[in-house]
Amino acid sequence: GENVEQHPSTLSVQEGDSAVIKCTYSDSASNYFPWYKQELGKGPQLIIDIRSNVGEKKDQRIAVTLNKTAKHFSLHITETQPEDSAVYFCAAKKGQNFVFGPGTRLSVLP
Amino acid sequence: GAGVSQSPSNKVTEKGKDVELRCDPISGHTALYWYRQSLGQGLEFLIYFQGNSAPDKSGLPSDRFSAERTGGSVSTLTIQRTQQEDSAVYLCASERLAGVPSRGYNEQFFGPGTRLTVL
Repeated sequence: GENVEQHPSTLSVQEGDSAVIKCTYSDSASNYFPWYKQELGKGPQLIIDIRSNVGEKKDQRIAVTLNKTAKHFSLHITETQPEDSAVYFCAAKKGQNFVFGPGTRLSVLP
Repeated sequence: GAGVSQSPSNKVTEKGKDVELRCDPISGHTALYWYRQSLGQGLEFLIYFQGNSAPDKSGLPSDRFSAERTGGSVSTLTIQRTQQEDSAVYLCASERLAGVPSRGYNEQFFGPGTRLTVL
């Protein structure tokens, strides 16, 4: 089955700097890759996603890149703000199966 | 419109008791998922519903766990004879399936979760 790895597990950046979180997946048939942000005591919230027929997608300060050949995808957050502090999860989907990475705890220091 | 809701938000129970967790998906969403999240961990898939049927129950950890969905809407996750290792946040998510489901290009929306504590 699918296996998703995520790195780093924790990340601290200064406010205004960029943050990058990377995920790898094992099943080349996975075709949809969402990223979720989870704040304390809340459910995960979808922040951006990318489909397998696209290499890059951007939404304001957030971007995601996908390398299908290498089977990895990354989340890029620019101009980080304290409110970006949260746990971020990547996921890979094949059919109706979502497999999540273990999460990255991002801390943005003011 | 309303998002995915779950109840109760918190549940404390004694070991050996049965618990029932409820999920109300977004109206019109045909797919519904249950996940378990232990403290500081990622999301563990439990079960997936397409309408009222559950084509994938592979994630249920034991036969103490069961789930049902009626009317293509509300779902309940039941844990019988709870154990301390069942303590976790149980998350529900719904997905609107349109077009060809196997394409998989649909967003999944999560509820706030139910925090279960088994004493």
